[in-house]
Amino acid sequence: AQRVTQPEKLLSVFKGAPVELKCNYSYSGSPELFWYVQYSRQRLQLLLRHISRESIKGFTADLNKGETSFHLKKPFAQEEDSAMYYCALSNAGFQKLVFGTGTRLLVSP
Amino acid sequence: DSGVTQTPKHLITATGQRVTLRCSPRSGDLSVYWYQQSLDQGLQFLIQYYNGEERAKGNILERFSAQQFPDLHSELNLSSLELGDSALYFCASSFQGRRLYGYTFGSGTRLTVV
Repeated sequence: AQRVTQPEKLLSVFKGAPVELKCNYSYSGSPELFWYVQYSRQRLQLLLRHISRESIKGFTADLNKGETSFHLKKPFAQEEDSAMYYCALSNAGFQKLVFGTGTRLLVSP
Repeated sequence: DSGVTQTPKHLITATGQRVTLRCSPRSGDLSVYWYQQSLDQGLQFLIQYYNGEERAKGNILERFSAQQFPDLHSELNLSSLELGDSALYFCASSFQGRRLYGYTFGSGTRLTVV
């Protein structure tokens, strides 16, 4: 069964500190993974996807198949990064995303 | 504008009533997904439609139903509303190509049941 686990409900850091939002998944096939961000209960926006190997707003995420993880990282957090972050896994065959429960990132000045 | 349009943006109604939420997917997307997000809760998957047919069902109550029309817009019907149904309801769409490039979400409908 597909499952996405985000162990932290809340992550609170100071501005300028490094950030790592954890995401672990279980899936027997070859996964495609995504990070979505939601600011102040607005619509969810795609932040990045592992197939693109991109860096958006200073965030990066590396797929580690050995540890079945896709942690989201940023070296220096900004106050505007405060938001809800969701990790999601795709079973490409069924074209459906499975979301984690989300982590709220709070960046304090 | 993400390309996914949801109406209305806000809805206030009384318990026991019925409402219809509407979603127009991004142009070219065949799949529509409905999610419920309650206060301080994560995303709860409700239902998925693909080209007019139900594809997957999640934690959708029997009081709720949905459909996707030939023009690919979708409606989520919520009936016998209860206070606990107050939530943000999101619609998302995707392109059913060889790979899933992710969902595009609408701005949501905020439902308040009083």
